[in-house]
Amino acid sequence: QTVVTQEPSLTVSPGGTVTLTCASSTGAVTSGYYPSWFQQKPGQAPSALIYDTDRKHSWTPARFSGSLLGGNAALTLSDVQPEDEAEYYCLLYYGGASYVFGTGTKVTVL
Amino acid sequence: EVQLLQSGVEVKKPGESLTISCRGSAFRSLWIGWVRQTPGKGLEWMGVIHPDDSEARYSPSFQGQVTISVDKFINTAYLQWSSLKASDTGLYYCTRLDFPVQPCDVWGKGTTVIVPS
Repeated sequence: QTVVTQEPSLTVSPGGTVTLTCASSTGAVTSGYYPSWFQQKPGQAPSALIYDTDRKHSWTPARFSGSLLGGNAALTLSDVQPEDEAEYYCLLYYGGASYVFGTGTKVTVL
Repeated sequence: EVQLLQSGVEVKKPGESLTISCRGSAFRSLWIGWVRQTPGKGLEWMGVIHPDDSEARYSPSFQGQVTISVDKFINTAYLQWSSLKASDTGLYYCTRLDFPVQPCDVWGKGTTVIVPS
């Protein structure tokens, strides 16, 4: 059973920067896993932020960016705003229309 | 703007069958996926289906537990259980995929399924 692991929680100050990571139990995450990232606020459906490692949707704020970092997928939030407080999930592709979500990171803005 | 409209809350008994739906304004030959969310396990990928040929692919965890189907003529995808268990309780989302590169750009609001033990 493939497991995709994220930090359980991170705290960041308003205006600060925080990086979330997404690690695969199968080994290093590469662009071939087509990493994507989602934001979910309480009571809402997830919302897509990043796809194909670092590509943004038309609605994605510029302060969100995706990358590969040290064998993991990464999501960096710069100039963090209070409204960025949410749960963040990564999603990795394992072939044959098979995806696995990460365990999720709760970002607190404090 | 593409929207995915999901059916409402369902409260069922163990052993009962259930089908929930997801109607899109236009599937446009993109895949439709189903995702489960439970408090203890976060988001779980269940499977996908392509509207044009009704080809369904399942996550190993859900293979044999649910059936995904689609009616492309009415732009509606379905998630079906033949015999519900208490462990099927959760919030089920449908989502659209231009897989593999751009998964889940559009999401339904979710259908809550409650199966009391």
